[in-house]
Amino acid sequence: KAGVTQTPRYLIKTRGQQVTLSCSPISGHRSVSWYQQTPGQGLQFLFEYFSETQRNKGNFPGRFSGRQFSNSRSEMNVSTLELGDSALYLCASSSIIRELFFGEGSRLTVL
Amino acid sequence: AQKITQTQPGMFVQEKEAVTLDCTYDTSDQSYGLFWYKQPSSGEMIFLIYQGSYDEQNATEGRYSLNFQKARKSANLVISASQLGDSAMYFCAMREGPYNTDKLIFGTGTRLQVFP
Repeated sequence: KAGVTQTPRYLIKTRGQQVTLSCSPISGHRSVSWYQQTPGQGLQFLFEYFSETQRNKGNFPGRFSGRQFSNSRSEMNVSTLELGDSALYLCASSSIIRELFFGEGSRLTVL
Repeated sequence: AQKITQTQPGMFVQEKEAVTLDCTYDTSDQSYGLFWYKQPSSGEMIFLIYQGSYDEQNATEGRYSLNFQKARKSANLVISASQLGDSAMYFCAMREGPYNTDKLIFGTGTRLQVFP
């Protein structure tokens, strides 16, 4: 059974640009959540989606947005990139309200 | 406010020995879930073990066990028979309240190094 798949794995952008990250959950999982990991702030919750609806949102500016498609795949977008947005972005999926499985992450570098 | 505390920034253990990684939590909710994840240098967060607040027995998954002490609000991870491949960052996390959320609060992590 395939795990959570995130693309791209690595990307480099410059300040002011925007970026879109993609996440394909484990087959059958309808819930997808996103996290940002930085050395300074650690792991922080961004948002989560269930059946194409945002169910919960973390404390991030409006430049961070996301969506979920009918096949449960999810994307997150960061607009007007800042240097501080450099981070590992992790996507997770779940189905049975217990275990939460993560992908390998997308490592974003903003120059 | 809900919080996860991991007081050990780094731990060393010899191969084949057991090691305990500490985790305490703070929540006013009666219903919550506790997780442990392993993060190797590649970055992937690998699920290790889960304990629900109403689970009566401590969770076990192979060489991993969770020492759940509800009154003390602690959820320590015990790794038995350490292997070199266990060297990684380990994160304790908590899911709060009703089960219809995947919002986790993470601790700051413990870096475990296993030596021969």
